[in-house]
Amino acid sequence: GIQVEQSPPDLILQEGANSTLRCNFSDSVNNLQWFHQNPWGQLINLFYIPSGTKQNGRLSATTVATERYSLLYISSSQTTDSGVYFCAVPTSRGSTLGRLYFGRGTQLTVWP
Amino acid sequence: ETGVTQSPTHLIKTRGQQVTLRCSSQSGHNTVSWYQQALGQGPQFIFQYYREEENGRGNFPPRFSGLQFPNYSSELNVNALELDDSALYLCASSLPGTFSEQYFGPGTRLTVT
Repeated sequence: GIQVEQSPPDLILQEGANSTLRCNFSDSVNNLQWFHQNPWGQLINLFYIPSGTKQNGRLSATTVATERYSLLYISSSQTTDSGVYFCAVPTSRGSTLGRLYFGRGTQLTVWP
Repeated sequence: ETGVTQSPTHLIKTRGQQVTLRCSSQSGHNTVSWYQQALGQGPQFIFQYYREEENGRGNFPPRFSGLQFPNYSSELNVNALELDDSALYLCASSLPGTFSEQYFGPGTRLTVT
């Protein structure tokens, strides 16, 4: 299966700071998703970004598919940004359609 | 548009028992995937259902089984529960294919004692 590595594993920030989360993956993929897991466990879709750059408010993401990595940028962080951020990629081969491989996540804590 | 829903929210079972978890897919989605997330880990793929058939399976034993119904909703059944089955179970709905964005439900937290 595809290996997905996220860094850093933990990130502690003061409110207002900026941060960059990284996701490396071991094989070529058709798409990549970034999620935020809230304290109740639900995965909230942030970006569907197979390549290029997208922005949504204070968050933006860039995927460089040819180099097998993606970056999630959080600017002017707020306490509500706290939680675990996951990236996930699907298998691009075999009979399993759309199976997602997840990294271990980045635990973000934002202090007021 | 209705999002992905799961029931129950929480469940406590005893080792050796059986459990059924339920998932309703998002409107317009015909593919449902189930994931298990242990504490401190990323979600792990259990299996996927498309057109009421299992479309792929991760590294989980046969005591994990599932169903998909004509309305695309799905069940996850786990027999002979073990302590290690304690986890958050997430279901995701999507259109078929590796290009499709997956949307997750709120999860069912299962505790096996």
